[in-house]
Amino acid sequence: EDQVTQSPEALRLQEGESSSLNCSYTVSGLRGLFWYRQDPGKGPEFLFTLYSAGEEKEKERLKATLTKKESFLHITAPKPEDSATYLCAVPGNDYKLSFGAGTTVTVRA
Amino acid sequence: EPEVTQTPSHQVTQMGQEVILRCVPISNHLYFYWYRQILGQKVEFLVSFYNNEISEKSEIFDDQFSVERPDGSNFTLKIRSTKLEDSAMYFCASSEAGLHSPLHFGNGTRLTVT
Repeated sequence: EDQVTQSPEALRLQEGESSSLNCSYTVSGLRGLFWYRQDPGKGPEFLFTLYSAGEEKEKERLKATLTKKESFLHITAPKPEDSATYLCAVPGNDYKLSFGAGTTVTVRA
Repeated sequence: EPEVTQTPSHQVTQMGQEVILRCVPISNHLYFYWYRQILGQKVEFLVSFYNNEISEKSEIFDDQFSVERPDGSNFTLKIRSTKLEDSAMYFCASSEAGLHSPLHFGNGTRLTVT
């Protein structure tokens, strides 16, 4: 069964148009939630780790938040260089890191 | 900033051949992983390695696959008797403290089996 579900699959934004990506998870006893950025043909690049509900992390135009059932990645005033696939991952009950399918963000100038 | 390096970046092989994918993890990391991503699909776990032995493996990681840390710096994935469906991006990752710390990924080896 899917442990991590991301939505939407794709997001097309104008430069400066803020939006949010969603990651919902079903594992019990969350041992951390990780956000990664993946550019085409590259490996996932670590962005954030969140461990407890209410926690927030920020990096430039990105802010990640966590609740008991989901996490959001907010992109504020995005630029074309923010175009990428954003992946969410959680350790499962089997201690293997499970990735969502990702949200592909395209920011047009 | 230290990074995980993988070689080769692209490997083409014929069905039935053996390939070895190589990785140099970040030097002070103790946990090592292989993941793969078939085109258009999710990044999926293959195997984790700690203290010179496999700690977890997925159903995909059958007898066709093996991992090795032949020296203090390299970490390899061997795929025997390759099949067309083994074509994918293979990512190596390392972490300081298992899943209590973020995994840092290399840029992958694109394996094409013809």
